[in-house]
Amino acid sequence: AQSVTQLGSHVSVSEGALVLLRCNYSSSVPPYLFWYVQYPNQGLQLLLKYTTGATLVKGINGFEAEFKKSETSFHLTKPSAHMSDAAEYFCAVSDRDSGTYKYIFGTGTRLKVLA
Amino acid sequence: DSGVTQTPKHLITATGQRVTLRCSPRSGDLSVYWYQQSLDQGLQFLIQYYNGEERAKGNILERFSAQQFPDLHSELNLSSLELGDSALYFCASSPREAGGLGYEQYFGPGTRLTVT
Repeated sequence: AQSVTQLGSHVSVSEGALVLLRCNYSSSVPPYLFWYVQYPNQGLQLLLKYTTGATLVKGINGFEAEFKKSETSFHLTKPSAHMSDAAEYFCAVSDRDSGTYKYIFGTGTRLKVLA
Repeated sequence: DSGVTQTPKHLITATGQRVTLRCSPRSGDLSVYWYQQSLDQGLQFLIQYYNGEERAKGNILERFSAQQFPDLHSELNLSSLELGDSALYFCASSPREAGGLGYEQYFGPGTRLTVT
């Protein structure tokens, strides 16, 4: 079964600095990959997803992620952090188990943006 | 607004009690998922329904049960509540089975359950 690892449960960056949130998955078969964001007191919302095709995926709010099969990674980046980016970010991968597609979420990374 | 609604937003109850959380998926979505989010356990998948049928189970306790009705809304029943059941409970929906063909899940705002 698939697993998802997010390195760093907490990440702090200065406003205007690069944001890099790491995600690695376990499967040797390219899966479908997702990044979700959760703002305080809200549900999760999709930032971006990779299915097939271009390995560099652009999402909302200036975020992008690159699928690297050789590294089994799908790291999330944003060139310049904004205070409003402070939130928790979840990487997810889809997996097929007993004929059913399932989502596997990582443990989340809480991003703090320092003024 | 994701289009997924959950009621109630907040629920405070005592240990040993039973509660029902309700979820209405986005119009046209056939799959409903339930998640529990707590500080110590993170985001835990509980159970999935697809067009009224249970499709997958995650870390759902025997004290918990769910169902999806013909109109596709879903209810999560939590019984014999314990202090440790205090958490945010999210419902999500997707057009078909999330993950397949790259479908994403759309999350509701959650129900915050406090067990005292």
